[in-house]
Amino acid sequence: NAGVTQTPKFQVLKTGQSMTLQCAQDMNHNSMYWYRQDPGMGLRLIYYSASEGTTDKGEVPNGYNVSRLNKREFSLRLESAAPSQTSVYFCASSDSEAQYFGPGTRLTVL
Amino acid sequence: EDQVTQSPEALRLQEGESSSLNCSYTVSGLRGLFWYRQDPGKGPEFLFTLYSAGEEKEKERLKATLTKKESFLHITAPKPEDSATYLCSGGGSNYKLTFGKGTLLTVNP
Repeated sequence: NAGVTQTPKFQVLKTGQSMTLQCAQDMNHNSMYWYRQDPGMGLRLIYYSASEGTTDKGEVPNGYNVSRLNKREFSLRLESAAPSQTSVYFCASSDSEAQYFGPGTRLTVL
Repeated sequence: EDQVTQSPEALRLQEGESSSLNCSYTVSGLRGLFWYRQDPGKGPEFLFTLYSAGEEKEKERLKATLTKKESFLHITAPKPEDSATYLCSGGGSNYKLTFGKGTLLTVNP
């Protein structure tokens, strides 16, 4: 039981490049989330998916897109990366009790 | 707008010196108040969920309590391995969590 897994762990991009962050969970949870964490800002919700086939914007969705591929997988795409998207990205999944987080992806955009 | 505020931002304790972390919240239709622990370079680790005022939960040296406006995380006789950032979050009726900025706890031996 791996919980929530994220790939890659680290990534460096140049401004304007695109990439997809992958997330998978093996806990059979319906809901999945993408957050970014920046110093002094705390965790901020980018997008979430309450169930397979649905996605909704969170607090800071601009510059991102998401795909809920199936119940297990929820990906985050940066179409044209900007330096302001330098951050640590966390994926989470939840049951009715709590959200459970992955280990994070540290992204640097030069 | 939902809001969660944690204090202090940082707390330094000696081993064995008990203290409390504060989390004040205004969350519409609060479904649950959640505490997490985060170690450097890792994702937040779930600790507790509190659902109603007066509820308490314990895990080893940690005890979380909840009132209608605040939650406290009490740390009794802390050890250096309790050093981490502790995050509080409120879950509203829309099933999204609003996080505070965290309290960085350092326990010196």
